[in-house]
Amino acid sequence: DTTVKQNPRYKLARVGKPVNLICSQTMNHDTMYWYQKKPNQAPKLLLFYYDKILNREADTFEKFQSSRPNNSFCSLYIGSAGLEYSAMYLCASRTGTGGADTQYFGPGTRLLVL
Amino acid sequence: QQNVQQSPESLIVPEGARTSLNCTFSDSASQYFWWYRQHSGKAPKALMSIFSNGEKEEGRFTIHLNKASLHFSLHIRDSQPSDSALYLCANDSGYNKLTFGKGTVLLVSP
Repeated sequence: DTTVKQNPRYKLARVGKPVNLICSQTMNHDTMYWYQKKPNQAPKLLLFYYDKILNREADTFEKFQSSRPNNSFCSLYIGSAGLEYSAMYLCASRTGTGGADTQYFGPGTRLLVL
Repeated sequence: QQNVQQSPESLIVPEGARTSLNCTFSDSASQYFWWYRQHSGKAPKALMSIFSNGEKEEGRFTIHLNKASLHFSLHIRDSQPSDSALYLCANDSGYNKLTFGKGTVLLVSP
């Protein structure tokens, strides 16, 4: 089973409120990723976990937090949502760190901030 | 910073036609090249990958890579309505990160 699951599929949030998105995979993958995708833009890598080590992209370092309590689960946390956070958030996982390994994606969580 | 450009942005082709999607990249050190396909409401799914210059064929799909010209492409033979989707190209420079293009929306009309 190469399924990556994301919850919820749709999320409505108020400006200034926190948002927590959940991702899970049962493939025992070492690496889990979070991407942000806005209309007519490329998916943008926000951060990834390799095992228990969190790597955050420099330009989104302060905007997003994440946790990985075990190998299967990974969350994406926004402490105070702004309108600019409205987007599709895609989770992905991959075994190892090799570029030849496939990243498996979830269906995404569509976040709307009002 | 790496940059990946896709063309065209959208494409409509008749059923049975040959479809060509293009991708250029800026990082000459890129080693791995991917095409993902995303049907509406579904997860992006890896379609094909190539890791060395040349051509790779899998069924109706062929991928070309020319590192010298920083270009790779996806060709679909005998396009089907079920091929209608968003196609994303991406490269991986070996740092555990994929850099994606904006995507090409393909519509295959019956």
